[in-house]
Amino acid sequence: RKEVEQDPGPFNVPEGATVAFNCTYSNSASQSFFWYRQDCRKEPKLLMSVYSSGNEDGRFTAQLNRASQYISLLIRDSKLSDSATYLCVVNMNRRYNFNKFYFGSGTKLNVKP
Amino acid sequence: GAGVSQSPSNKVTEKGKDVELRCDPISGHTALYWYRQSLGQGLEFLIYFQGNSAPDKSGLPSDRFSAERTGGSVSTLTIQRTQQEDSAVYLCASTRMSLVGTTGELFFGEGSRLTVL
Repeated sequence: RKEVEQDPGPFNVPEGATVAFNCTYSNSASQSFFWYRQDCRKEPKLLMSVYSSGNEDGRFTAQLNRASQYISLLIRDSKLSDSATYLCVVNMNRRYNFNKFYFGSGTKLNVKP
Repeated sequence: GAGVSQSPSNKVTEKGKDVELRCDPISGHTALYWYRQSLGQGLEFLIYFQGNSAPDKSGLPSDRFSAERTGGSVSTLTIQRTQQEDSAVYLCASTRMSLVGTTGELFFGEGSRLTVL
């Protein structure tokens, strides 16, 4: 079983739409959670961290449900520039400071004019 | 620049040859990761270095793969006797690690695209 599972999509939405991505993780010992964005043939970059209380950054809202081991990302008022692959990332802080980042396979978003 | 630097950006090699991929992390970042990404796939963890601790090699797919990090900075990933299934983008990332862990922001290089013919 994969550590992090995501719906691969693609999600094809018109400009201005609201779109939500979900992600589940398998290890309840996971400690930190993130969404990364990866543009085509580019390296991943941090979009936002995900906090237990939920957090918002402009048009982006992230939620965490530890009981269900579930993370979500909501994008409001989609822009063409939001087209990318969104990676759900889970960090496990093990003993001796070994921090492993587990990446989901990503959800592809296409925003159409 | 001040980002993570990887070289070569592209490498085409013949099956059976050895290749070396280099990563120069951001100065001051003690943690360094190697990932592999095949076309249309997610990131596959390969190996992790943290300071002077023994590296976590649990993601290396076979004994043909090895990596080292000299002087706590530059890292080299070596693939011996390359196979066609080794073709992928090899991504290096670094982050600053504190006593309480990481901020979570991995800074990636642009990757080394390996093609094994």
